[in-house]
Amino acid sequence: AQKITQTQPGMFVQEKEAVTLDCTYDTSDPSYGLFWYKQPSSGEMIFLIYQGSYDQQNATEGRYSLNFQKARKSANLVISASQLGDSAMYFCAMRESIGNEKLTFGTGTRLTIIP
Amino acid sequence: DAGVIQSPRHEVTEMGQEVTLRCKPISGHDYLFWYRQTMMRGLELLIYFNNNVPIDDSGMPEDRFSAKMPNASFSTLKIQPSEPRDSAVYFCASSLRGVQETQYFGPGTRLLVL
Repeated sequence: AQKITQTQPGMFVQEKEAVTLDCTYDTSDPSYGLFWYKQPSSGEMIFLIYQGSYDQQNATEGRYSLNFQKARKSANLVISASQLGDSAMYFCAMRESIGNEKLTFGTGTRLTIIP
Repeated sequence: DAGVIQSPRHEVTEMGQEVTLRCKPISGHDYLFWYRQTMMRGLELLIYFNNNVPIDDSGMPEDRFSAKMPNASFSTLKIQPSEPRDSAVYFCASSLRGVQETQYFGPGTRLLVL
């Protein structure tokens, strides 16, 4: 079974609109971390936001927020007021257990912002 | 502060040749990771080190691949002999032990084996 599932291979969104990228995860570990990375066409992997499984509040970083629904095992990335520079691949990733440093990545969502 | 540094950024080689990829992690980070990204398999963890010691190499595809970390500021990933199916983008990432332990990625090495 996939540990990280990103069901949207591609999305097109009008500039300045908000966009939600879906991510569901599968783990029986009570302690885990969830990450989102952005990969623009230039290829680098850019860390965006982190959510810990014990965090009470949804993480936010500027225009990025993480809609964390623990019971549903979902960790959707919300980008507010999208910009042309947001066009990129977005990857959701999970680290299980304190002390286990391995990240498992989803297959990614390609986001295209339309002017 | 400088981020993770990788060299070379691009490598084109012929099948059978030895390829060495290099990585300098962020200063002070105690974990170093090597990943491979392909269209078919996505992002795969190959191996990771903690304090220069290899912890998990279960992702290394076969004996042709080897990785070393002789000191805290340098690591290599070697492929010998290289094959066309090794063509991919290879990323190095580093992190610091703590609550969040975010992995920060280098720019990647794009390898093409002809």
